[in-house]
Amino acid sequence: AQSVTQLDSQVPVFEEAPVELRCNYSSSVSVYLFWYVQYPNQGLQLLLKYLSGSTLVKGINGFEAEFNKSQTSFHLRKPSVHISDTAEYFCAVSDSTQGGSEKLVFGKGTKLTVNP
Amino acid sequence: DAGITQSPRHKVTETGTPVTLRCHQTENHRYMYWYRQDPGHGLRLIHYSYGVKDTDKGEVSDGYSVSRSKTEDFLLTLESATSSQTSVYFCATGVGGARETQYFGPGTRLLVL
Repeated sequence: AQSVTQLDSQVPVFEEAPVELRCNYSSSVSVYLFWYVQYPNQGLQLLLKYLSGSTLVKGINGFEAEFNKSQTSFHLRKPSVHISDTAEYFCAVSDSTQGGSEKLVFGKGTKLTVNP
Repeated sequence: DAGITQSPRHKVTETGTPVTLRCHQTENHRYMYWYRQDPGHGLRLIHYSYGVKDTDKGEVSDGYSVSRSKTEDFLLTLESATSSQTSVYFCATGVGGARETQYFGPGTRLLVL
């Protein structure tokens, strides 16, 4: 079974500052990793995902994430945030092994608030 | 985006009454999912479907049932609603597979009094 820990439940930052949202996972098997974003009063949408290959993954809206297998982490970063990035961000994992469960396991979410 | 709609978008009901939430998709995705979102818990899988009439339980399935008689519709039923089922419910769809993206509907806010 997999589990996901998002280390910060809330992250306030000022506009144009850099931000890092932390995600650690636990799994006995290899995994795929995802970041989803939920804007206020909306459903979730995919920001980016790591499947294989380069450990640095670029997503939409200038976000990127780095997969670190030794530290079992998949932290999300943006060099300069905008007010419109205010949202809740969810890290998720799935089992990448043949015949493994196809279900996504989500973290509890991190609320990013960008202040002017 | 995947065309995913949920109905109703908001519902208030009383303890002990049955409630059915509907998810409708126009993308012909094989897989459909029901999640609930609660503060401090993130999203938790209730049930999912991998085809017409093919469903399976998720992490928090007690008190919920589902049905899928057509590819495009996935129904979630609370047989006898309880206050602990007050939540925001999200439907998602996908082509299936652990590497694939899931596409989410706008959610249904359910309040059980």
